[in-house]
Amino acid sequence: NAGVTQTPKFRILKIGQSMTLQCAQDMNHNYMYWYRQDPGMGLKLIYYSVGAGITDKGEVPNGYNVSRSTTEDFPLRLELAAPSQTSVYFCASSSPGEQFFGPGTRLTVL
Amino acid sequence: DAKTTQPNSMESNEEEPVHLPCNHSTISGTDYIHWYRQLPSQGPEYVIHGLTSNVNNRMASLAIAEDRKSSTLILHRATLRDAAVYYCILSRIGNQFYFGTGTSLTVIP
Repeated sequence: NAGVTQTPKFRILKIGQSMTLQCAQDMNHNYMYWYRQDPGMGLKLIYYSVGAGITDKGEVPNGYNVSRSTTEDFPLRLELAAPSQTSVYFCASSSPGEQFFGPGTRLTVL
Repeated sequence: DAKTTQPNSMESNEEEPVHLPCNHSTISGTDYIHWYRQLPSQGPEYVIHGLTSNVNNRMASLAIAEDRKSSTLILHRATLRDAAVYYCILSRIGNQFYFGTGTSLTVIP
């Protein structure tokens, strides 16, 4: 099992550009999550999904969109990148009781 | 959402036990207590979780107070690889996690 994979590992965007952060899991988990982590802080939940076709907002959803067309994939879309979105983004999936995290995507918006 | 309170940082000598405290006075009856840790430049990883009874696994032990308003993560013999930020999180199974700032553990050789 590859677990939770994320691409890309690093990305630099210019203000106003858009991009999609990819996340995939091969554990057949229904629940998937997107978090962001700013320097020295804990993770903050952006969006989550309880199954294909179902998504919901977390703590900090503004400026992001998600979709969940399959169990395996949960992409995160940034439409108009802003410097405040500079962060490390983590995707996770969960079985009952345990969340499995990907290695993260480090995004810088200049 | 129920909140947790943890010390910002702790130190331990290598090969000694470490007790990491967490207060969660607003815990509800269906909230599980989860512990995750995050090594530098990595995503968080699961350590342990429990509901009411103390729990043990190969990584650690979780001691839960009788009133469930606090818990303690116990690392039995700290190693340098245990240096990480440890997060105590309350959540119902399957629900989203809300991370605080955690406890940064330094292990001294």
